[in-house]
Amino acid sequence: GAVVSQHPSRVICKSGTSVKIECRSLDFQATTMFWYRQFPKQSLMLMATSNEGSKATYEQGVEKDKFLINHASLTLSTLTVTSAHPEDSSFYICSASLGRAGELFFGEGSRLTVL
Amino acid sequence: GQQVMQIPQYQHVQEGEDFTTYCNSSTTLSNIQWYKQRPGGHPVFLIQLVKSGEVKKQKRLTFQFGEAKKNSSLHITATQTTDVGTYFCAGPEGGNKLVFGAGTILRVKS
Repeated sequence: GAVVSQHPSRVICKSGTSVKIECRSLDFQATTMFWYRQFPKQSLMLMATSNEGSKATYEQGVEKDKFLINHASLTLSTLTVTSAHPEDSSFYICSASLGRAGELFFGEGSRLTVL
Repeated sequence: GQQVMQIPQYQHVQEGEDFTTYCNSSTTLSNIQWYKQRPGGHPVFLIQLVKSGEVKKQKRLTFQFGEAKKNSSLHITATQTTDVGTYFCAGPEGGNKLVFGAGTILRVKS
């Protein structure tokens, strides 16, 4: 299957700082990637759809100025949590698909802790 | 928007017992997918069901897609400790997005 790699796996930062998370498709090109957020023992909540070469599509209730998404190449999407606050602490996971509405390949996830 | 409901939220079974999780969609689905997430890990794709009434098996796992393509189930026969994790169903929405169910956390006592 396809491989999606995410970095960093864990990050601890101070309140007010910005954190960038990278998501790479290692053995395929992904025109679309998806960013999810997961709270402990809860489901995956789609935050946004990252589109290569164009603006991301954000889900209702997700602040686009808070969660900046850049998809500059067919193998890399980045999520930047700007001016992070403790309530932004969560598990962020990216994913990509080989085809439309096909199976998703998930990155390892990034656990963000904001102090 | 589309909602995907999943029950139970949590199940704790004795090793060797069976386990089932159920998924219900508010709308008819073109397909349904199942994922497993081990504790501390990321979701991993298990299977996709497309046809009405479809049944697929993977060793001790049996997946069903309802006739109306609005519900699905995952059944594990004779659970093992390696089955521990959270099982999610997911249905497509708006073309290429997936909406995930709440997940069922499975714990297995040995």
